[in-house]
Amino acid sequence: RKEVEQDPGPFNVPEGATVAFNCTYSNSASQSFFWYRQDCRKEPKLLMSVYSSGNEDGRFTAQLNRASQYISLLIRDSKLSDSATYLCVVNARTGGFKTIFGAGTRLFVKA
Amino acid sequence: SQTIHQWPATLVQPVGSPLSLECTVEGTSNPNLYWYRQAAGRGLQLLFYSVGIGQISSEVPQNLSASRPQDRQFILSSKKLLLSDSGFYLCAWYRDSNTGELFFGEGSRLTVL
Repeated sequence: RKEVEQDPGPFNVPEGATVAFNCTYSNSASQSFFWYRQDCRKEPKLLMSVYSSGNEDGRFTAQLNRASQYISLLIRDSKLSDSATYLCVVNARTGGFKTIFGAGTRLFVKA
Repeated sequence: SQTIHQWPATLVQPVGSPLSLECTVEGTSNPNLYWYRQAAGRGLQLLFYSVGIGQISSEVPQNLSASRPQDRQFILSSKKLLLSDSGFYLCAWYRDSNTGELFFGEGSRLTVL
C-alpha cells in the first residue's frame, strides 16, 4: 500500500463545475498536510495547508479527517486556469520532516 | 526574498554521459536542501538531502550522487547516465520549519537517450 494515495484521474469537468479530490495516508503519526498545485512541466507550488478544522481560500476548501486518515480538496466554480495536477502532501515529524507526496490528480477544466 | 534557482532547465544527454545539475539558494543561510526526482506519471521521490556543507544523506541507492560545496549550493551528479535517470529533478528546502512546507526550484528536466 502506498503511503499517500490519490485518484490519478484525469478529471474532465466543464467551467463552473464543482470538483472534489480525495487523498488517504497510511502513517497515523502524520502531523501536517498540504495540497500543492503543479502545472505542466513546472515545479509544484503550495496551494494551501490543510487543518483539522477545515480551511477555505476563495473557491478552494480543504478538509482533514485524522480518524479516517483522509484529506480532501474541493474546488467550486472551476476555471480554465484551474487545469493542473493537484498533489496531496503529508508530513511526519521524525526528528526532521519526512515528507511523502501523492502521485497527483490531473484536472482538466474545459470551456 | 528567498529563492531557489536550478540550472540547466532542460537537457538531453546520451546514455553513459556525465551529469551535473546545480541548485542555488538565495535569501537564507544554512538551509537544509533536498533533491527530488519526478518520473513521468509518478510522485516525487526523495534522492538526497543535506543539512550543511559537505553533509549528504542518500535516501535510495542509485546511479546518482550529490555534493554540498557551499552553504547555498547543492549539486546532483552522475558519472554515467542510465535511461532510467530520465525525469524532472527538483531542488527544495523547507520554507516553514514549523509546518514542513516545502519550496521548490524551477526544476531541471533530463532526458537520457
